[in-house]
Amino acid sequence: SQQGEEDPQALSIQEGENATMNCSYKTSINNLQWYRQNSGRGLVHLILIRSNEREKHSGRLRVTLDTSKKSSSLLITASRAADTASYFCATDRETSGSRLTFGEGTQLTVNP
Amino acid sequence: NAGVMQNPRHLVRRRGQEARLRCSPMKGHSHVYWYRQLPEEGLKFMVYLQKENIIDESGMPKERFSAEFPKEGPSILRIQQVVRGDSAAYFCASSLLGSDTEAFFGQGTRLTVV
Repeated sequence: SQQGEEDPQALSIQEGENATMNCSYKTSINNLQWYRQNSGRGLVHLILIRSNEREKHSGRLRVTLDTSKKSSSLLITASRAADTASYFCATDRETSGSRLTFGEGTQLTVNP
Repeated sequence: NAGVMQNPRHLVRRRGQEARLRCSPMKGHSHVYWYRQLPEEGLKFMVYLQKENIIDESGMPKERFSAEFPKEGPSILRIQQVVRGDSAAYFCASSLLGSDTEAFFGQGTRLTVV
């Protein structure tokens, strides 16, 4: 399996519910970054969490990082229809010289 | 402070033609990365450049693809003799310090080879 794998591949929820997406990776990292991509558009940077951090918050977003399990989660609270997008995690690996390795993404659909 | 600017947004080329994709990083950023995204897939790293230097081109095909980031002007990703399989979205990202800092992405160039 690939570095930076998100699950689930697709998630459909109702407005107001929370959405949780997970990301697993294989090698040691400097940091892990979450991005959002609306259909046919560019990537929007959401949060960067460093390997020595366990949790970060930004508005309705909460990211956790467990380096012992090589996994991260992105929680979106009180979701809105505008949160509908693909969400990608990307790892900055210690040996990669700062390039990012992306997963295949989670397609989130928030129904009004 | 404008974000990462890519142009053109859409590019159509016939097989065998050349495609030139441009990327202007965020102001003050000297680290530029190019990624390719096929439909329904994540982004795949192609090349990492700093001003006038290619740092890592391990993700870029050896044939037909080249990249540069001159002292003045935008970074250019060049694809010679395009084939249908080159059809994809090409994204450029820039960062301030390289390793361990946020990378900000442009809107991408969608290349269609007909």
